[in-house]
Amino acid sequence: AQRVTQPEKLLSVFKGAPVELKCNYSYSGSPELFWYVQYSRQRLQLLLRHISRESIKGFTADLNKGETSFHLKKPFAQEEDSAMYYCALSGNYGGSQGNLIFGKGTKLSVKP
Amino acid sequence: GAGVSQSPSNKVTEKGKDVELRCDPISGHTALYWYRQRLGQGLEFLIYFQGNSAPDKSGLPSDRFSAERTGESVSTLTIQRTQQEDSAVYLCASSRQLYSGNTIYFGEGSWLTVV
Repeated sequence: AQRVTQPEKLLSVFKGAPVELKCNYSYSGSPELFWYVQYSRQRLQLLLRHISRESIKGFTADLNKGETSFHLKKPFAQEEDSAMYYCALSGNYGGSQGNLIFGKGTKLSVKP
Repeated sequence: GAGVSQSPSNKVTEKGKDVELRCDPISGHTALYWYRQRLGQGLEFLIYFQGNSAPDKSGLPSDRFSAERTGESVSTLTIQRTQQEDSAVYLCASSRQLYSGNTIYFGEGSWLTVV
């Protein structure tokens, strides 16, 4: 079964500290993985996707097929990074998307 | 419009009443999606449309839920005989095409409270 697990409901760090939001997935084929972010009072929006291998707002995420993980990392957290972060999986890489499967989300709180 | 628009933004209804939620996707987006998010839970996929066709309705929680879409524009999600467990945020999203390379854009959601 397709599943996305985000083990931490809440992650609290101090400004300038490194941050890692964990995401593990279960899928037998070749999934496409995403991170979505929802800032306070804003709509859910795409942060990054694994196929782009890009860094957005200092965040990076590497797909580890051996560990079936797609952890989101940032070396130095900023207060404006405080938000809800959702890991998501699309089950048909390069094909019909149909739907995204989301994890339950991790609330990141960056303290001054 | 510039983004996905949903209405109403907030709805309080009595148990047993029917509600209709509306979604206006981004102009030109052929794919449209509905998700539900209960308090403290993740996003639960409900249904998607490719044009006005919904190939897979298995994500709808019960036969009280239905959705339709007119062409490649407005979609409505209807919940009949609402129950308290239907209380949630209902999120609509759209993408240019139904392929994984296309970014999905979300609306702000419709908050439904069943009392």
